Amino acid sequence: GENVEQHPSTLSVQEGDSAVIKCTYSDSASNYFPWYKQELGKRPQLIIDIRSNVGEKKDQRIAVTLNKTAKHFSLHITETQPEDSAVYFCAAPSGGYQKVTFGTGTKLQVIP
Amino acid sequence: NAGVTQTPKFQVLKTGQSMTLQCAQDMNHEYMSWYRQDPGMGLRLIHYSVGAGITDQGEVPNGYNVSRSTTEDFPLRLLSAAPSQTSVYFCASSYSNDRTQPQHFGDGTRLSIL
Repeated sequence: GENVEQHPSTLSVQEGDSAVIKCTYSDSASNYFPWYKQELGKRPQLIIDIRSNVGEKKDQRIAVTLNKTAKHFSLHITETQPEDSAVYFCAAPSGGYQKVTFGTGTKLQVIP
Repeated sequence: NAGVTQTPKFQVLKTGQSMTLQCAQDMNHEYMSWYRQDPGMGLRLIHYSVGAGITDQGEVPNGYNVSRSTTEDFPLRLLSAAPSQTSVYFCASSYSNDRTQPQHFGDGTRLSIL
């Protein structure tokens, strides 16, 4: 099945700095790569996703890049703010067209 | 739309007890799934369903049963609760079964087994 590795597990940045979280996957057939944000005590919520026919997608301060050759995709947050503090999960399809495997999460702390 | 609704929000059980975690969605989504979330281990898939009458096992299915009699509902049953099943459980749904749609999560059920 799919193996999704996510790094780092924790990340502390100063407010205004950038944060980068990276995920690698094993299934070369994977074609959809979402990122979810989970605030403390809340549900995971989609913040951005990318499909395999593009290399980069941006939405205001967040962006996702995809390198299909190397089988990795990354989340980039620029000009970080305290409200960006949360746990971020990447995910990738697995097991045919019916399962989704999540990374183990990155706890981002933005220090004011 | 209410989205994905999970009940109860909190539950404490004794070892050996059984219970059902409820999940309902009103978005007419075909795909539904159950995850458990433990510290440092992310979201692990327990069971999933690609439509009414169809279910399959995920990564950690032991000790859990599911059924999907309607498109809207996907209950998760703990047969005989064990302390190792103490966790936060999330139900999720998505529009299609082709893995290229985002998942919508419920608010979670925090379950403690004593």
